[in-house]
Amino acid sequence: GAGVSQSPSNKVTEKGKDVELRCDPISGHTALYWYRQRLGQGLEFLIYFQGNSAPDKSGLPSDRFSAERTGESVSTLTIQRTQQEDSAVYLCASSLGDRDGYGYTFGSGTRLTVV
Amino acid sequence: AQSVAQPEDQVNVAEGNPLTVKCTYSVSGNPYLFWYVQYPNRGLQFLLKYITGDNLVKGSYGFEAEFNKSQTSFHLKKPSALVSDSALYFCAVRETGGFKTIFGAGTRLFVKA
Repeated sequence: GAGVSQSPSNKVTEKGKDVELRCDPISGHTALYWYRQRLGQGLEFLIYFQGNSAPDKSGLPSDRFSAERTGESVSTLTIQRTQQEDSAVYLCASSLGDRDGYGYTFGSGTRLTVV
Repeated sequence: AQSVAQPEDQVNVAEGNPLTVKCTYSVSGNPYLFWYVQYPNRGLQFLLKYITGDNLVKGSYGFEAEFNKSQTSFHLKKPSALVSDSALYFCAVRETGGFKTIFGAGTRLFVKA
């Protein structure tokens, strides 16, 4: 597609429920990143995918968070047993490569509210 | 470990005046440096980047940034601010050869008419 597509754009869930967030990167972009942006704060790195290599999960805040990506296509970020502190905007970005100076193209984000 | 500091939470400037949004960074090797902008209710947009070469880089919407290696800074500048420039600006750094981009906390720019 023309840009990075994220769905849903908004999600309200009850505490304790599982949620799944989807990211569809730009075709041909081998690198995909997930970031979290809490209200009034900067971007917090969560996880990174590059092609078929093992993902870097060093930013995932707890074992309730997991993400998958099949090849160089869609990625899903799953949060199990959601907590109120998980409320944030979850941003996905893709780029042409990982080790070169490519900028990122961000999606519009999924605003997650845990009540 | 790499890090980015944006020392100002907010910058206020009058329309028509020059603006500067400050950024300093720390990496163990040579940096790739980026500025992104987030307009209200819109996603993050890439503004400009420094990879190598000329220390002054020009980007979208009339913005430019100057890479200063000795001061480890990459300040964002514009000669004449517009009200429409009001937004949240993020500085970001990636170590050359690295894969992870670290973002600063953001600086909110208010341009008053």
